[in-house]
Amino acid sequence: GAGVSQSPSNKVTEKGKDVELRCDPISGHTALYWYRQSLGQGLEFLIYFQGNSAPDKSGLPSDRFSAERTGGSVSTLTIQRTQQEDSAVYLCASSLFLAGGSGSYNEQFFGPGTRLTVL
Amino acid sequence: AQKITQTQPGMFVQEKEAVTLDCTYDTSDQSYGLFWYKQPSSGEMIFLIYQGSYDEQNATEGRYSLNFQKARKSANLVISASQLGDSAMYFCAMRGINAGKSTFGDGTTLTVKP
Repeated sequence: GAGVSQSPSNKVTEKGKDVELRCDPISGHTALYWYRQSLGQGLEFLIYFQGNSAPDKSGLPSDRFSAERTGGSVSTLTIQRTQQEDSAVYLCASSLFLAGGSGSYNEQFFGPGTRLTVL
Repeated sequence: AQKITQTQPGMFVQEKEAVTLDCTYDTSDQSYGLFWYKQPSSGEMIFLIYQGSYDEQNATEGRYSLNFQKARKSANLVISASQLGDSAMYFCAMRGINAGKSTFGDGTTLTVKP
């Protein structure tokens, strides 16, 4: 079956330009996450969408970063006026709806990532 | 707030031997899940194993087992019978049961020697 897909796989842009990164989650997954991974580092949480609930934007590093999810499926992460420190791999993940209660979990399936380079 | 600490930036293990990758965590949540992921040089994130905070038994998945010590807030990954293909970066992560955000550690690079 199809996994999480992301496009583009690589993006090189000039400082100050805007970029859009796209994520197609696994069909039926209502939860979608964006993370950022700098070279050799762990994953930094950016934003989380779940169904029609208000997204958890607590990880967005500045107001230059925004994300939307249309129709509960495809998501776009937009970075405005890119800076060199924005260079990283941007990973998207999706999962089934979180269920509460002990022992319950929903594995996140990750996409291949978009490598962003800001010159 | 949640925090994951992986104190081993790099580890070496001989092929066919077992290796333990350390992970300690801090959280104020009563219920949470702990995860381990593998990231090969290709960059993909591969889910390995999960442990719920209320699970009494340690999780196992094939050659992977999670040594969960709740009182010590540790969730070490044990890989038995290491293979060359196990060489990768390994991340420990946690998430509150009702929270979407996952917190990741900085990772441990495992190298399996032939």
